[in-house]
Amino acid sequence: GQNIDQPTEMTATEGAIVQINCTYQTSGFNGLFWYQQHAGEAPTFLSYNVLDGLEEKGRFSSFLSRSKGYSYLLLKELQMKDSASYLCAGLDSNYQLIWGAGTKLIIKP
Amino acid sequence: NAGVTQTPKFRVLKTGQSMTLLCAQDMNHEYMYWYRQDPGMGLRLIHYSVGEGTTAKGEVPDGYNVSRLKKQNFLLGLESAAPSQTSVYFCASSLTAGTHSEPQHFGDGTRLSIL
Repeated sequence: GQNIDQPTEMTATEGAIVQINCTYQTSGFNGLFWYQQHAGEAPTFLSYNVLDGLEEKGRFSSFLSRSKGYSYLLLKELQMKDSASYLCAGLDSNYQLIWGAGTKLIIKP
Repeated sequence: NAGVTQTPKFRVLKTGQSMTLLCAQDMNHEYMYWYRQDPGMGLRLIHYSVGEGTTAKGEVPDGYNVSRLKKQNFLLGLESAAPSQTSVYFCASSLTAGTHSEPQHFGDGTRLSIL
């Protein structure tokens, strides 16, 4: 079966660094997406990885290891506005996105 | 740019009633999707379309129908609403779903309650 696992909730302090992990099992693999979703709002695209390694975009970075079926999203210099849910999604062999349930990130001052 | 627009934003229905959710995109995207999002679960694909006049079933299609008569519009219908269909419904669109995967762009969602 296809499955995406990520922690339900994490807490971090403003100004700190947090890493959100995601493990995936998909039928075939065509890449992994990270989205941010603020409460009551639409998901918005953060990053896409299809090759192993780290992709950096400002304060946000995403890492992929295809051999381990593992990805993480790294958020640096946390700000209160980063309080949101972070959704991991794998693109399977049919180019369908398989979504995790999301990790709710709580930022404390 | 409007992006992806969903109407209505909120709706309350009684069991057995029917309704249509409308999704419109102005980005000339080929692919469009309908998802539902329930607490503690990932987004689940209901139906999708790879182009005007085409539709296909996703993971949870039962109880829903769709139509894509125009490229920019994707309609989701509930013929006889059931309480299990209480959810937040998101429409999304993307340019392609090929090897150079384009991200999906989401509407603001429709919050639907079935009593």
